[in-house]
Amino acid sequence: NAGVTQTPKFRVLKTGQSMTLLCAQDMNHEYMYWYRQDPGMGLRLIHYSVGEGTTAKGEVPDGYNVSRLKKQNFLLGLESAAPSQTSVYFCASSSGLAGGRRHGDNEQFFGPGTRLTVL
Amino acid sequence: DAKTTQPTSMDCAEGRAANLPCNHSTISGNEYVYWYRQIHSQGPQYIIHGLKNNETNEMASLIITEDRKSSTLILPHATLRDTAVYYCIVRVSYGNKLVFGAGTILRVKS
Repeated sequence: NAGVTQTPKFRVLKTGQSMTLLCAQDMNHEYMYWYRQDPGMGLRLIHYSVGEGTTAKGEVPDGYNVSRLKKQNFLLGLESAAPSQTSVYFCASSSGLAGGRRHGDNEQFFGPGTRLTVL
Repeated sequence: DAKTTQPTSMDCAEGRAANLPCNHSTISGNEYVYWYRQIHSQGPQYIIHGLKNNETNEMASLIITEDRKSSTLILPHATLRDTAVYYCIVRVSYGNKLVFGAGTILRVKS
């Protein structure tokens, strides 16, 4: 199993350009998440999805859109990139089992990250 | 979700136990304590979680006080590869959203 993969690993954009970050997981997980991490800070949730065809806003959703057309994929879009969106973006997935007490229940598996610079 | 307080950084000698504290004085009865760590430039990695009993797995042990207002993550024999930022997170089990604070930078030194 590849786990959670992210494409691309690095990207440099100019202000106003658009792009899409792709997250894929092969664990048949229901839940998927997009986080951003700025230098010296913890991760902040941008958007998340509790199943195919559903999305919801997280803590910092402005300037981003997401789509979950297939269960295994979760796309993060920047329509008009701004320098404030320079960050490292992490995708994660989890099984979403409520109340689980077994190891791995509700555990989130993270991808390797995408380092985005907006000039 | 309850907030947590962790020291900014800690040092530990290689081969010794690393004890990372976390205060969560406003924790509710249905909230679990989760620990993740993030090794430089990588995505966070799940370590362990618990509700009220102490827990142990192949990576670490989690000690939760009887009043559940604080907990300690124990890495029994720290290695250089354990150098990372350790996040203590408190949340309900069914919520599935993680709220990351700044965490504790653990430096394991030879």
